[in-house]
Amino acid sequence: GENVEQHPSTLSVQEGDSAVIKCTYSDSASNYFPWYKQELGKGPQLIIDIRSNVGEKKDQRIAVTLNKTAKHFSLHITETQPEDSAVYFCAARSMEYGNKLVFGAGTILRVKS
Amino acid sequence: IAGITQAPTSQILAAGRRMTLRCTQDMRHNAMYWYRQDLGLGLRLIHYSNTAGTTGKGEVPDGYSVSRANTDDFPLTLASAVPSQTSVYFCASSVGSGGIYEQYFGPGTRLTVT
Repeated sequence: GENVEQHPSTLSVQEGDSAVIKCTYSDSASNYFPWYKQELGKGPQLIIDIRSNVGEKKDQRIAVTLNKTAKHFSLHITETQPEDSAVYFCAARSMEYGNKLVFGAGTILRVKS
Repeated sequence: IAGITQAPTSQILAAGRRMTLRCTQDMRHNAMYWYRQDLGLGLRLIHYSNTAGTTGKGEVPDGYSVSRANTDDFPLTLASAVPSQTSVYFCASSVGSGGIYEQYFGPGTRLTVT
């Protein structure tokens, strides 16, 4: 079945710097890769997603890149701000469990001001 | 619009007791999900429902059961709680099933089994 690995587990950056979180997946049939942000005490919320027919997608300060050959995808946050501090989860659509999402273990991002 | 509500917010439960976590959505979404979140393990799917009247097993279904009698409600039951079920439980919903639709999460239920 699908296995999603996420690195790093924690990341500290200075305000204004960029942050990159990387994920790898095992199922070459996976075709949908969302990223969720979880703020303290809340449920996760979708921030960006990418499908396997594109290599990159941007939305203001965040972008996601996908390398299907290598089976990895990354989240890029530029010009980080304190409100970007949160836990970020990557996920991949799995053919198991009725085509549901398999999530990575999460990355705690701290933006220091 | 409330989105997804979960109850209780938190609960301490003695091992062996039965417990039902409640989840209600007001978005008329077809699909609903239950996840557990544990440190270092991310979110793991327990059970899901693609539409009212149907349910399916996720990655970690043992010890849990669900029902989907109508579109809005998706309760999760622990028949006989064990300490390893200590976790934060999230309910989610999406307009469609198939894994490509945005999932909307509730605020979570923190459960401690002693």
